[in-house]
Order: sequence, then C-alpha cells, then structure tokens
Amino acid sequence: GENVEQHPSTLSVQEGDSAVIKCTYSDSASNYFPWYKQELGKRPQLIIDIRSNVGEKKDQRIAVTLNKTAKHFSLHITETQPEDSAVYFCAASPNQFYFGTGTSLTVIP
Amino acid sequence: DTAVSQTPKYLVTQMGNDKSIKCEQNLGHDTMYWYKQDSKKFLKIMFSYNNKELIINETVPNRFSPKSPDKAHLNLHINSLELGDSAVYFCASSQALGNTIYFGEGSWLTVV
Repeated sequence: GENVEQHPSTLSVQEGDSAVIKCTYSDSASNYFPWYKQELGKRPQLIIDIRSNVGEKKDQRIAVTLNKTAKHFSLHITETQPEDSAVYFCAASPNQFYFGTGTSLTVIP
Repeated sequence: DTAVSQTPKYLVTQMGNDKSIKCEQNLGHDTMYWYKQDSKKFLKIMFSYNNKELIINETVPNRFSPKSPDKAHLNLHINSLELGDSAVYFCASSQALGNTIYFGEGSWLTVV
C-alpha cells in the first residue's frame, strides 16, 4: 500500500515568515494530494488540494507544489499569522487516503 | 447544518464496557469512514463503507464492529473496552473512495 512520510514533525516560525511542510509518497498510482489543517480540539479540515495533472496550485497565502517524478509534494504558507498555528496533515490517494504523520506548526507573534 | 455529525462528543467509560458512537452525514455521499486519532495525532483509517458495504477493513481488533444501516449512517460499536482504546474517533464521508474527505467533529473516548 501507499506510504506517506511528512516532515518536519514540529515547526516554529516568526509571524510574517514562511512555513514549508514536505511529504513524500511511494505509490505512483496516487493522483490526489489534499492538505488538512487541524486546530486544537477541532476536526481536520481541507485547506488545499492538488491533482497529479497539476504541478502547483495557490490559494491566497497557501500554495502546494507537486513533483510526480520525485514523488513529493509540499505545502507553502507565506506571511504566517498566529491563526495558522495548527497541526497540518498531508495525504496521498491512489483510491483511499493515506495520511502523513502531521506537522505541528506554531507561529510566534 | 452540520454535514457530518457524530454522537456522543465526549465519552468516559470503564474498562470492559461496551459503547457505541453514531455518525450521520447529510451530504449525499456514498462513502463513509471511521478514523482513529491517538495521542500522537496520527490519523489511522479503521473502516470504510461504500453504499452500506464494507470496502476497507484495516487491522483493527474484532472488538470494533461497524454497522451501516443506510449510506447516510455509519455507527461504531466497541466491545470490552480497553485502556488503549482511548482516542478521538472521527467519522468522515466522501462522494466516492479517493475523493475529498469531510470529517465529523470527533468523539473523545476515554477508558478508565
């Protein structure tokens, strides 16, 4: 089955700086790569996703890049704000979702 | 209106008891899931149903038994609860397997 690795497990940045979270996957059949944000005590919620026919997608301060050849994809958050503090999960889906182990992001005011 | 709702939100129970968590989705989705999130925040799939039929059954003790009376409902029954069952259980749904997953608010289970 698919194996998704996510790094780093924790990340602290100063407010206004950028944050990058990276994931790798193993199954070349994976064709859908969503990112979820989970605030403390809340449910994971989709923030952005990308499909395998696209290399990059941007939504305001959030962007995701995909390198199918290298089997890795990344989440980029620019101009970070304290409300960006949360746990972020990547996932890869050949048919079912396989989640990464999560990155706890702390934005320091 | 809540898209994926699950009850109860909090559950504290003693070892050895049997408990159930109920889930309903009003999104018209065909696929429903149960995920377990442990203290390390790992999200692990337990079960997936498509149109009331079991399609994913990960390595889960047979004390856990899902039931889907119709495609809008997926309940989770747990027998003989153990301390290690303490976790947050998320119900979720998607239009089809592999499509965007929408999570319920979670059920915090504590076994004492």
